[in-house]
Amino acid sequence: DIQMTQSPSSLSASVGDRVTITCRASQSISTYVNWYQHKPGKAPKLLIYAASSLQGGVPSRFSGSRSGTDFTLTISSLQPEDFATYYCHQTYSSIRTFGQGTKVEIK
Amino acid sequence: QVQLQESGPGLVKPSETLSLTCTVSGGSLSIYYWTWIRQPPGKGLEWIGYIYNSGSTSYNPSLKSRVTISVDTSKNQFSLKLSSVTAADTAVYYCARDRGDYPYFFDYWGQGTLVTVSS
Repeated sequence: DIQMTQSPSSLSASVGDRVTITCRASQSISTYVNWYQHKPGKAPKLLIYAASSLQGGVPSRFSGSRSGTDFTLTISSLQPEDFATYYCHQTYSSIRTFGQGTKVEIK
Repeated sequence: QVQLQESGPGLVKPSETLSLTCTVSGGSLSIYYWTWIRQPPGKGLEWIGYIYNSGSTSYNPSLKSRVTISVDTSKNQFSLKLSSVTAADTAVYYCARDRGDYPYFFDYWGQGTLVTVSS
């Protein structure tokens, strides 16, 4: 199976901060990575697909990038509605896997 | 607009089989990968598996011996069966649609249903 090692598991940040979350894949997976935002009691929401493509309707402060097997989600200026848990997700393999999640909390 | 809705018992006894159904409205079951995902309390998302082409499946190896995903195209539904459940199977269960073509991603989700395993 392809493992997605996500870090950090949690972080505290203030409104306006730049936030970076990273996932490292256990093997080369090209750009087969998506990022989701998950809030309690709701279904996860797609933010970024194919490593760096912004899903329609998602604010431009969210961006994704790839360097080899490292994938990064960046929130350029954290907003109050961005406090949530974020997951990376690989679709290179027919056995899909998620990262462990990063909980973004208010500082 | 595609909508997914999970249904099934919210309480299952240990050692029994958990059964959930996802009803799809506003779209056909063809082409896509119809997926089950769960989130145990206080933990992250776990991919369970999917079904496509009205019968081909892929399962999480850690659950494969206990999982069956099936589809009923006449009712526009797909289902999850998880056998020999324990308390560790207590989770919110989501059904979702995987695009089934590059770029693969989950574009539609159900709202999730909590299943508790307890006697």
